[in-house]
Amino acid sequence: NAGVTQTPKFQVLKTGQSMTLQCAQDMNHEYMSWYRQDPGMGLRLIHYSVGAGITDQGEVPNGYNVSRSTTEDFPLRLLSAAPSQTSVYFCASSRQGDYGYTFGSGTRLTVV
Amino acid sequence: GESVGLHLPTLSVQEGDNSIINCAYSNSASDYFIWYKQESGKGPQFIIDIRSNMDKRQGQRVTVLLNKTVKHLSLQIAATQPGDSAVYFCAETPSGGSYIPTFGRGTSLIVHP
Repeated sequence: NAGVTQTPKFQVLKTGQSMTLQCAQDMNHEYMSWYRQDPGMGLRLIHYSVGAGITDQGEVPNGYNVSRSTTEDFPLRLLSAAPSQTSVYFCASSRQGDYGYTFGSGTRLTVV
Repeated sequence: GESVGLHLPTLSVQEGDNSIINCAYSNSASDYFIWYKQESGKGPQFIIDIRSNMDKRQGQRVTVLLNKTVKHLSLQIAATQPGDSAVYFCAETPSGGSYIPTFGRGTSLIVHP
């Protein structure tokens, strides 16, 4: 099925470890974003991209890196995991000019 | 509506009742508004949208109302069903630019059979 695919679905990291959350979409969408969702809070924007080779910071970018080498993929890298990064991470994409985003099913990350 | 601390506002209704979920947005320059539904363990899903030049839009069993004077958005669900139980988020997007939405904190809707 077409959509946004996130891997892994669950991950436990130790403090200081690094890892990459994968996000891929097969809808040829130009826009892609990463959000984190914490209990009782809405979605907060980490980084976003308006096309291959173009990325920008969102509301909470510290501790995360992104790159967009292809239209399809938008990985999120945690450089040195901290317990404050325990959260559920969502990747989303949309077509240029289309305000509605399609979300992946999320990655639940725990940092111990 | 807005939440305080870690607790989402919660709306409990009986199956068959109509539900109204409210949202206060912050940016008077926002041009486009969307309601998303998030079921437990899943990502948010688009429900309905409305542009700032409209004050009402209807979908299947859902209606969105926009009051720009007081920066208020509401989602009305008719004949609420147990499958409507979820967290509902409003999102606002400024005109032009990168179409990046800002999300509210969400409201939990619980439908009792």
